[in-house]
Amino acid sequence: AQSVTQLDSHVSVSEGTPVLLRCNYSSSYSPSLFWYVQHPNKGLQLLLKYTSAATLVKGINGFEAEFKKSETSFHLTKPSAHMSDAAEYFCVVSEPNYGQNFVFGPGTRLSVLP
Amino acid sequence: EAGVAQSPRYKIIEKRQSVAFWCNPISGHATLYWYQQILGQGPKLLIQFQNNGVVDDSQLPKDRFSAERLKGVDSTLKIQPAKLEDSAVYLCASRDSGRASDTQYFGPGTRLTVL
Repeated sequence: AQSVTQLDSHVSVSEGTPVLLRCNYSSSYSPSLFWYVQHPNKGLQLLLKYTSAATLVKGINGFEAEFKKSETSFHLTKPSAHMSDAAEYFCVVSEPNYGQNFVFGPGTRLSVLP
Repeated sequence: EAGVAQSPRYKIIEKRQSVAFWCNPISGHATLYWYQQILGQGPKLLIQFQNNGVVDDSQLPKDRFSAERLKGVDSTLKIQPAKLEDSAVYLCASRDSGRASDTQYFGPGTRLTVL
């Protein structure tokens, strides 16, 4: 069964500095990987996804993630944080089989300081 | 394109009462999911439908939770009787198909508080 580890429960950065949110996964298959963002009292919004095409994936709002099979990682980055990026971020793994095929990590809360 | 609709947005009940949540997925999406998100945690899958059939309900507490998607479109999730630990946000999501690479689209959720 697949699983996701998000190494930091909380990350705090200053506005204008880089963001790194770490994600490691475990999967028996070639997985699809997603990052979702959840602003307070809002629904989950897709940032980007990896589906076995290019290993460097660009998403919305300047975010990108790199799939590294050898490290089983899918870290999320952004060159310059904005105040509006403060939210909860979830890494998700999906396998090509039915049954629990969309497993969420525990989430990383990103704070952006002025 | 309209997104996933859920109602109500908020619900407060006392323990041992019953409650129902409604979800209308994106038009044409065959796969529908219900998740439970407890405060401070990632969403946990409760049940997955493909059209009107259940694909996975292994994590649904069947002694108190039930869900249906009778016509393969909208769905209801019911809790009867509710316990304090059921306080959470209940998220509905839909997907064009069950393919692993397809994106899930989430509704705004229903925040349930059990007193």
